[in-house]
Amino acid sequence: DAGVIQSPRHEVTEMGQEVTLRCKPISGHDYLFWYRQTMMRGLELLIYFNNNVPIDDSGMPEDRFSAKMPNASFSTLKIQPSEPRDSAVYFCASSLWTGASNTGELFFGEGSRLTVL
Amino acid sequence: SQQGEEDPQALSIQEGENATMNCSYKTSINNLQWYRQNSGRGLVHLILIRSNEREKHSGRLRVTLDTSKKSSSLLITASRAADTASYFCATVPYNTDKLIFGTGTRLQVFP
Repeated sequence: DAGVIQSPRHEVTEMGQEVTLRCKPISGHDYLFWYRQTMMRGLELLIYFNNNVPIDDSGMPEDRFSAKMPNASFSTLKIQPSEPRDSAVYFCASSLWTGASNTGELFFGEGSRLTVL
Repeated sequence: SQQGEEDPQALSIQEGENATMNCSYKTSINNLQWYRQNSGRGLVHLILIRSNEREKHSGRLRVTLDTSKKSSSLLITASRAADTASYFCATVPYNTDKLIFGTGTRLQVFP
């Protein structure tokens, strides 16, 4: 398997523009997570899905952020409008449920580095 | 919000030495995991320890878990320059299925 695939790897945009980040999880995985990493705040969980259904979006910072998972093979994270403080590396990760005690062994993509000018 | 705090924030050692990183967390957990992140890359899972386990080994890695103190440690023995990376602990809080990461330790191993 190719692993978790994210695109784009790098995005530079201007404040106010819409940004869409994409993720293809590992085939057969039933959980998908979106994280944001910054120097100041570390790794923050934004939202996660189970079987394409959003389970917890309490980490989504504002209404400007939205995430969808229309099918088991694809998810998007959208920021509209973007602001300079959204600059960060956004990671997508997927995992397979194998019981509560094993929960969370995540496979990460390489990340999308977003710079908002 | 972050569940775990790691100590030290940064660690520099010579090749061949052992590296120990500590993690403290706040709530009851299902399991605790350690991840590694090379600069500019995604995180890679290293090892998982369940809440009813106290110690686990994988190659040069040794992880301990003390649920009474809500703490864990990661020991890397006989370190190599290639071990240079950031290391994160992460917990699955009890009765949840989400992974919350700590603040990380930056490890530098000098040849």
